[in-house]
Amino acid sequence: KAGVTQTPRYLIKTRGQQVTLSCSPISGHRSVSWYQQTPGQGLQFLFEYFSETQRNKGNFPGRFSGRQFSNSRSEMNVSTLELGDSALYLCASSLEGQAKLFFGSGTQLSVL
Amino acid sequence: AQSVSQHNHHVILSEAASLELGCNYSYGGTVNLFWYVQYPGQHLQLLLKYFSGDPLVKGIKGFEAEFIKSKFSFNLRKPSVQWSDTAEYFCAAASNYQLIWGAGTKLIIKP
Repeated sequence: KAGVTQTPRYLIKTRGQQVTLSCSPISGHRSVSWYQQTPGQGLQFLFEYFSETQRNKGNFPGRFSGRQFSNSRSEMNVSTLELGDSALYLCASSLEGQAKLFFGSGTQLSVL
Repeated sequence: AQSVSQHNHHVILSEAASLELGCNYSYGGTVNLFWYVQYPGQHLQLLLKYFSGDPLVKGIKGFEAEFIKSKFSFNLRKPSVQWSDTAEYFCAAASNYQLIWGAGTKLIIKP
């Protein structure tokens, strides 16, 4: 069974631009959650989707948004990028919601 | 606000030493607790979890953690570490479909 796939693997953007990251969960997993990982802050929860509905959202500004499609694939969008948005963005999927997460390799976003 | 605190950001040990990584959470209700590990170049993976029942939880690779409700703690332990335990360890607490993460502890084992 294929694991969680995130694309692209690396991304370089400039301030003010917007970016869309993609996540394909493990087949059969309906829950997808997104995290931002930085050396100083560790992992921070962005949002979680289940069956195309956002069930919860972390403490991030409205520039961060996401959605989930009927096939459970999810996208995350960040508009008006800031330097501080540079981070590794991780996606995780699960069968039971939060019981056990399977993580992707992440998208390393650098904002210049 | 709910939070998870990991006491040490970096820990360096020699092989065969005993390990204890601290984790405290601030949440008054029912909480599920997890330890995840990220080995160099690999994905985050679940080490062990606590939902209910026996507060001493055993995970993979000889790790265990003890849930102490009165102390709001869920410390990770291993009696004798190996060089291959070098990794970053994350504690997390779950409530309302949201996982709240600690900042992580980088563990380096000297051969």
